[in-house]
Amino acid sequence: ETGVTQTPRHLVMGMTNKKSLKCEQHLGHNAMYWYKQSAKKPLELMFVYNFKEQTENNSVPSRFSPECPNSSHLFLHLHTLQPEDSALYLCASSQGRALRTFYATNEKLFFGSGTQLSVL
Amino acid sequence: KQEVTQIPAALSVPEGENLVLNCSFTDSAIYNLQWFRQDPGKGLTSLLLIQSSQREQTSGRLNASLDKSSGRSTLYIAASQPGDSATYLCAASLPAGGTSYGKLTFGQGTILTVHP
Repeated sequence: ETGVTQTPRHLVMGMTNKKSLKCEQHLGHNAMYWYKQSAKKPLELMFVYNFKEQTENNSVPSRFSPECPNSSHLFLHLHTLQPEDSALYLCASSQGRALRTFYATNEKLFFGSGTQLSVL
Repeated sequence: KQEVTQIPAALSVPEGENLVLNCSFTDSAIYNLQWFRQDPGKGLTSLLLIQSSQREQTSGRLNASLDKSSGRSTLYIAASQPGDSATYLCAASLPAGGTSYGKLTFGQGTILTVHP
């Protein structure tokens, strides 16, 4: 157990559905991340949150909407997805940094087990 | 733009062999390089993190080296065991500054199979 829990483990949805992925970390971290892992492609960063503020949006389509209500929880809201969005979605956390010092980075990431998403 | 390449894509070895996995990156101005392990259908487990000022890191039977000037890192696994079978990913960070922390560029991984 890495201390990062993702639910659900598997999700099948139609293109017109709305669903949400949940991530919770019990490590006392302040930064959380969403990554996408598609078959035969490298892991891609989607979003980064530090102290509940979004600091990175890696040109992700608006049909993916992240939410970080507190440092322990991260959601990814999904709507009108496409079949090519089928992938393993991984959440990660790290210690995080206060904004004025976040340039001094050396973050070790702790990953959850992921949600395997299939869009039909 | 950082690009990370891992060679070989797959490797199969008998138990007990020492082996080397290779990782190369295009932008040598990295802040750190990390090696991860991923079991099928699972998330990633961090194995080793090498800061840009370091040359190597060791953990048990694992040793990772970093040569920034040549844009290369290797992961050495000694006395391999069937339990080492997994996909091994390397990831290079962008240089510090701005909002780049935590932004790792991953390779596609090396699928390792250690057979008894």
